Amino acid sequence: KNEVEQSPQNLTAQEGEFITINCSYSVGISALHWLQQHPGGGIVSLFMLSSGKKKHGRLIATINIQEKHSSLHITASHPRDSAVYICAVSLYNTDKLIFGTGTRLQVFP
Amino acid sequence: NAGVMQNPRHLVRRRGQEARLRCSPMKGHSHVYWYRQLPEEGLKFMVYLQKENIIDESGMPKERFSAEFPKEGPSILRIQQVVRGDSAAYFCASSPFQVMNTEAFFGQGTRLTVV
Repeated sequence: KNEVEQSPQNLTAQEGEFITINCSYSVGISALHWLQQHPGGGIVSLFMLSSGKKKHGRLIATINIQEKHSSLHITASHPRDSAVYICAVSLYNTDKLIFGTGTRLQVFP
Repeated sequence: NAGVMQNPRHLVRRRGQEARLRCSPMKGHSHVYWYRQLPEEGLKFMVYLQKENIIDESGMPKERFSAEFPKEGPSILRIQQVVRGDSAAYFCASSPFQVMNTEAFFGQGTRLTVV
């Protein structure tokens, strides 16, 4: 079993829909990251969370430390949001990131 | 302030050749992490370096792969005698602190194709 699990693996949506991507982890962490990767592109950091909730534009990220679960929400989705969204965690006693396998999102006009 | 710079962006090597991938961290960052993304797979940690030191190489294959981060110049990931299975995207990330408890800063990646 992977230490970081994401769901769903693939997600399609119509423009304007509200989108939720989930991430569960099974290890102790110091922080959780949400990353975005466009096809053939680099990796961009969206959020770094250690507790609570963060919002940036149409993106909202939440984390529940007790339940070891985080969600990434996209409100009013747009075709330009189409990308792979990756959850990653920083472990307590190491300094490397452990990644989920990513969620491939396609938003159609 | 330039971000993390990786070059080349794309690299094609024949089986048996050497591949050298370079990563210049963000200004002021002295910690570098290399990750590999195999086709249709998630990212995996390879190695963590500070200037002139390898801190954690637990994700590096035992043979043919090496990494360095000299006092001057970029970090280098070196793959000797490449094989088709080395074809992947290699990403570098940098940090000013020992623990990645800050935003993650990634380069654009080097896409290695072994033919």
